[in-house]
Amino acid sequence: NAGVTQTPKFQVLKTGQSMTLQCAQDMNHEYMSWYRQDPGMGLRLIHYSVGAGITDQGEVPNGYNVSRSTTEDFPLRLLSAAPSQTSVYFCASSSYGGTGELFFGEGSRLTVL
Amino acid sequence: AQSVTQLDSHVSVSEGTPVLLRCNYSSSYSPSLFWYVQHPNKGLQLLLKYTSAATLVKGINGFEAEFKKSETSFHLTKPSAHMSDAAEYFCVVSPFGNEKLTFGTGTRLTIIP
Repeated sequence: NAGVTQTPKFQVLKTGQSMTLQCAQDMNHEYMSWYRQDPGMGLRLIHYSVGAGITDQGEVPNGYNVSRSTTEDFPLRLLSAAPSQTSVYFCASSSYGGTGELFFGEGSRLTVL
Repeated sequence: AQSVTQLDSHVSVSEGTPVLLRCNYSSSYSPSLFWYVQHPNKGLQLLLKYTSAATLVKGINGFEAEFKKSETSFHLTKPSAHMSDAAEYFCVVSPFGNEKLTFGTGTRLTIIP
């Protein structure tokens, strides 16, 4: 099983550019989410989805956009990148309403110059 | 409101000695609690979870944690550290036992040969 797959693993952007981080899971999980990880701050929830066509904001949603057209995919869009968005981004999935165990991708490291 | 405090940002132990990583939580409800581990340049993996069954929870790789409601603590322990345990560990709380998780800021565990 591939589990949760994130692409790209590394990306460098200039301020103002846009890009999409891709996330796909093959476990038929209803719930998918995006976190950012910054030193000394743990993981913070950006956006999440409880099923196709349903998304909601997390703790730090500003500057990011998501959509969920299929169960498998949950892309994260940066509309106009800023240096404050330099971070490591993790996608995670789970069977909604289950045990609360999240399955994580290996992360995407983004640098905004 | 819910929160998690990991009392040590960095812990160093010698190989073969016990490991103790400390976590205190705050939750308005009877929470579910988790420990996740992150090895370098990897995603997070569930170590163990507490969901109001037994207060002593056993996880993978010889780790265990004890839920103490009176102390609002969920400390992670292992009797004998191994070099492969070197990683970052996150204590996580969920008030409803679902995917709306709050992460601690992490404890980096270093193992001294």
